[in-house]
Amino acid sequence: ETGVTQSPTHLIKTRGQQVTLRCSSQSGHNTVSWYQQALGQGPQFIFQYYREEENGRGNFPPRFSGLQFPNYSSELNVNALELDDSALYLCASSSDPKNIQYFGAGTRLSVL
Amino acid sequence: TQLLEQSPQFLSIQEGENLTVYCNSSSVFSSLQWYRQEPGEGPVLLVTVVTGGEVKKLKRLTFQFGDARKDSSLHITAAQPGDTGLYLCAGAGNAGGTSYGKLTFGQGTILTVHP
Repeated sequence: ETGVTQSPTHLIKTRGQQVTLRCSSQSGHNTVSWYQQALGQGPQFIFQYYREEENGRGNFPPRFSGLQFPNYSSELNVNALELDDSALYLCASSSDPKNIQYFGAGTRLSVL
Repeated sequence: TQLLEQSPQFLSIQEGENLTVYCNSSSVFSSLQWYRQEPGEGPVLLVTVVTGGEVKKLKRLTFQFGDARKDSSLHITAAQPGDTGLYLCAGAGNAGGTSYGKLTFGQGTILTVHP
């Protein structure tokens, strides 16, 4: 077990709604990265947060946004949900932006 | 855009057989990682390879990083049903360097080992 916890584990939303996913990083880690994993695919990098600032972003539209809090936990927000947003959302924490990332079990989002 | 291509996508073998999974890219990575992911779980790191030509062994698993740091392979000897899962390779950073630790993943290899 990595010590990275995500909530909720499963979520069902309808198209156009908004969703917030949460991640608690491993103790001592100040960096959180978010990934989207569609069924049958490898994870795709959404963005990374380091010391409460966005520290890099993948090829995702602005309706994907995030936050990191002073305790280094993080949220991923997705507005105006689309059917293609259905995926497993993974959070990974690390002790530094370029260090080894440890993954949580993910949140399975279904958009109907 | 950096891409990692894994092959094969699916592998179904009998217990005791050997197998190799390949991970290839046209880009150079500062390191390459292999993960194993089971249903309902996040990826679990197996190994990180950093130096071109590096070979690492983890019990029955052997990992190799290509000399040019663009490709890697995972070889499993005498596969067991417990090896079943999704195997992912992921490249970290690039030759130009980034300020953040983006991992670029391959699409994965689904391995099924039948008893």
